Amino acid sequence: GAGVSQSPRYKVAKRGQDVALRCDPISGHVSLFWYQQALGQGPEFLTYFQNEAQLDKSGLPSDRFFAERPEGSVSTLKIQRTQQEDSAVYLCASSPNRVLQPQHFGDGTRLSIL
Amino acid sequence: DAKTTQPNSMESNEEEPVHLPCNHSTISGTDYIHWYRQLPSQGPEYVIHGLTSNVNNRMASLAIAEDRKSSTLILHRATLRDAAVYYCVSGTYKYIFGTGTRLKVLA
Repeated sequence: GAGVSQSPRYKVAKRGQDVALRCDPISGHVSLFWYQQALGQGPEFLTYFQNEAQLDKSGLPSDRFFAERPEGSVSTLKIQRTQQEDSAVYLCASSPNRVLQPQHFGDGTRLSIL
Repeated sequence: DAKTTQPNSMESNEEEPVHLPCNHSTISGTDYIHWYRQLPSQGPEYVIHGLTSNVNNRMASLAIAEDRKSSTLILHRATLRDAAVYYCVSGTYKYIFGTGTRLKVLA
């Protein structure tokens, strides 16, 4: 069956450009999560949606990072005025509900800022 | 936030059991303990999770210490396909990933 789909798989941008990363969660999954994974590190939480509501954005590193999920399905993570330190793999995960079910991860978008 | 620590790497012979430890001494009482594994260029794959009791599924077993300050993932018979980075994760919805253990399986 279809898992979590992320696009693009790879994105190269010049410092200062804006980028948008897309996540298609598993159909019917209420909860959606974004994580950032630096090279050689474990993923770090960025933000969490339940349907269209962003309930926790405590992990977003700066106000250059913005996430949305306007219809409670597809989500977009936007990074404005990218910096070199934004280079990482951005992972999206979804789960049927908040607490009891494990999160299912996509394969991520590898972002490289030149 | 809870902090989890794991050994950097472990080796196992094929067909033998593997015990992967995790220390999560600052975990809160309501946080679940999850284990995920990750292959290169792929997202983390769910392995198992639990709260207080030991858990078994078709992939592995999870042994949770009585004080919940540590846990152990048990792969009963390691295969070459089990070679991956294994992450111990705490949290209910906001996952806190551990440092990860790179498991090498020797043929």
